Amino acid sequence: DAGITQSPRHKVTETGTPVTLRCHQTENHRYMYWYRQDPGHGLRLIHYSYGVKDTDKGEVSDGYSVSRSKTEDFLLTLESATSSQTSVYFCAIGTAGRAYEQYFGPGTRLTVT
Amino acid sequence: GQQLNQSPQSMFIQEGEDVSMNCTSSSIFNTWLWYKQDPGEGPVLLIALYKAGELTSNGRLTAQFGITRKDSFLNISASIPSDVGIYFCAGRVSGTYKYIFGTGTRLKVLA
Repeated sequence: DAGITQSPRHKVTETGTPVTLRCHQTENHRYMYWYRQDPGHGLRLIHYSYGVKDTDKGEVSDGYSVSRSKTEDFLLTLESATSSQTSVYFCAIGTAGRAYEQYFGPGTRLTVT
Repeated sequence: GQQLNQSPQSMFIQEGEDVSMNCTSSSIFNTWLWYKQDPGEGPVLLIALYKAGELTSNGRLTAQFGITRKDSFLNISASIPSDVGIYFCAGRVSGTYKYIFGTGTRLKVLA
């Protein structure tokens, strides 16, 4: 257990509304990641962070923004949700060990209607 | 972008049988990770591989880092019902702390 929680765990929202998902970790890891998981696509990287206020884009970042004002929290915001953003979102931390091994949170299932 | 091809996509096996799955890529990776995901949960790290040719076991699971650094293999011996789930491989992009994930192998065990 890497001490990662995600909130909310489930959310239904309407097209066009902003949505923020929260990832919280308790073990002071420097690296944090947001992925989305869709059938047939595996896990795809949205954004990642390598420290407080240090973030960068992943392969599917359009329509998403992130913020990290504290080590323990990494927020993912959908500025204006679309149906194509219906997905399961996972947060992960990367260890500072040998190879930045990643450990995942329990996920947030988001449905955009 | 970089892709990992994971095969098979799904497999049905009898309890007690051995299972083999693999990941291949056109790119070289410095680290390979293998995960298992149960329904409604996040992926759980099973095995990490750090250098070409490395063979590592975790209980009934054995994984290998391919010599070419472009592939990796996972074997499960004497499968049991709780092995059911989706298995993912992930390769670390050289010089970064980012991983590329395969699309998963869905394993179903018939008692």
